[in-house]
Amino acid sequence: GAVVSQHPSRVICKSGTSVKIECRSLDFQATTMFWYRQFPKQSLMLMATSNEGSKATYEQGVEKDKFLINHASLTLSTLTVTSAHPEDSSFYICSASPGTGATGELFFGEGSRLTVL
Amino acid sequence: AQSVTQPDIHITVSEGASLELRCNYSYGATPYLFWYVQSPGQGLQLLLKYFSGDTLVQGIKGFEAEFKRSQSSFNLRKPSVHWSDAAEYFCAVGYLMEYGNKLVFGAGTILRVKS
Repeated sequence: GAVVSQHPSRVICKSGTSVKIECRSLDFQATTMFWYRQFPKQSLMLMATSNEGSKATYEQGVEKDKFLINHASLTLSTLTVTSAHPEDSSFYICSASPGTGATGELFFGEGSRLTVL
Repeated sequence: AQSVTQPDIHITVSEGASLELRCNYSYGATPYLFWYVQSPGQGLQLLLKYFSGDTLVQGIKGFEAEFKRSQSSFNLRKPSVHWSDAAEYFCAVGYLMEYGNKLVFGAGTILRVKS
């Protein structure tokens, strides 16, 4: 199947710093990528939809100035957590689809665990 | 609004026993349904999906799921569980947006396998 890769897999940062997480589709082009956040022992919550060449679409309650998303190319989307605080510590997962439409299967990255001290 | 309910937070089964994980969804139109598995600290792997056609869907690792429209359910089953199946399982409903398939996940069910 298609491969989606995230980097870094783990990151620890000090409070107040910014952290960038990359999501790459390795063997297909993805017009759309999705960013999820997973709290411990909870499900995945969709944060935003990243569209190549346009602004991301954020879900209700997600601070767009806190979580900056850039979809610079058809194979790369980045999530930047700005001025990170301990409550931003979480597991962030991206997903992408090789095709649009309802039958476009989503492939997930390995996830990135952010710990803010 | 679309929603997915997985009523069981934890399930423990003996190795070799059968398994059924429950999933109920709420969606106004024909749903696109998925089951994913997540091992600790890792991303999600697709087990199976239902878009249309045969309501009994076969997936990887010996899993299957049955779509029952009358019950709004998409329960995951496996006839004989292996210790390596211990993980967290997520049911999801997908709906079409203009830019692709958006997923809403259930809360997940943690499967423990005892020997």
